[in-house]
Amino acid sequence: GQQLNQSPQSMFIQEGEDVSMNCTSSSIFNTWLWYKQEPGEGPVLLIALYKAGELTSNGRLTAQFGITRKDSFLNISASIPSDVGIYFCAGPGGSQGNLIFGKGTKLSVKP
Amino acid sequence: NAGVMQNPRHLVRRRGQEARLRCSPMKGHSHVYWYRQLPEEGLKFMVYLQKENIIDESGMPKERFSAEFPKEGPSILRIQQVVRGDSAAYFCASSPLAGRNSGANVLTFGAGSRLTVL
Repeated sequence: GQQLNQSPQSMFIQEGEDVSMNCTSSSIFNTWLWYKQEPGEGPVLLIALYKAGELTSNGRLTAQFGITRKDSFLNISASIPSDVGIYFCAGPGGSQGNLIFGKGTKLSVKP
Repeated sequence: NAGVMQNPRHLVRRRGQEARLRCSPMKGHSHVYWYRQLPEEGLKFMVYLQKENIIDESGMPKERFSAEFPKEGPSILRIQQVVRGDSAAYFCASSPLAGRNSGANVLTFGAGSRLTVL
């Protein structure tokens, strides 16, 4: 079945640093979604990408839909403590519009 | 404008008991998805429902698990005769759009129900 591989699994960074994470799929996607999950909460949508090569920003977050349509990247600039959480990539999971998720990148930010 | 509402937020059950988790989708959303999340894992799709219909239950265990989304009231995920391996966070998500082939809907998630089986 389809698989999403996210890397890195975890990151420990200093406040103010930039962050990069990526996600690759075993098959071609026509949509990539990035979610953030904070402890004890559900995932919250950050960015949605619908076109190969698309680059979309949401504040300090920028995500790109890879040209091969098998990968996507998320960058966070000038990290702050509230960026702490788990970042998940997601894409089409099957024929009924459900989502398949990566295992997440856990981000820790030291003030 | 309430989001996706799930309750209970935390549920403790002993082995063999039943767990019922409820989900009210966002206003105007008629498509509901249930996901399960184990510690340190991503979310795994379980079931997709529309009002009074199960559309896709390919991710749901064949035994002990059932889901419904009645014409009136919330969607219910029911786990009978719970075992320790059922301990997890169960998330409900909703969408205003019908699922479509090879596409991905933007799903809005609730805060989850955390089931602990003793």
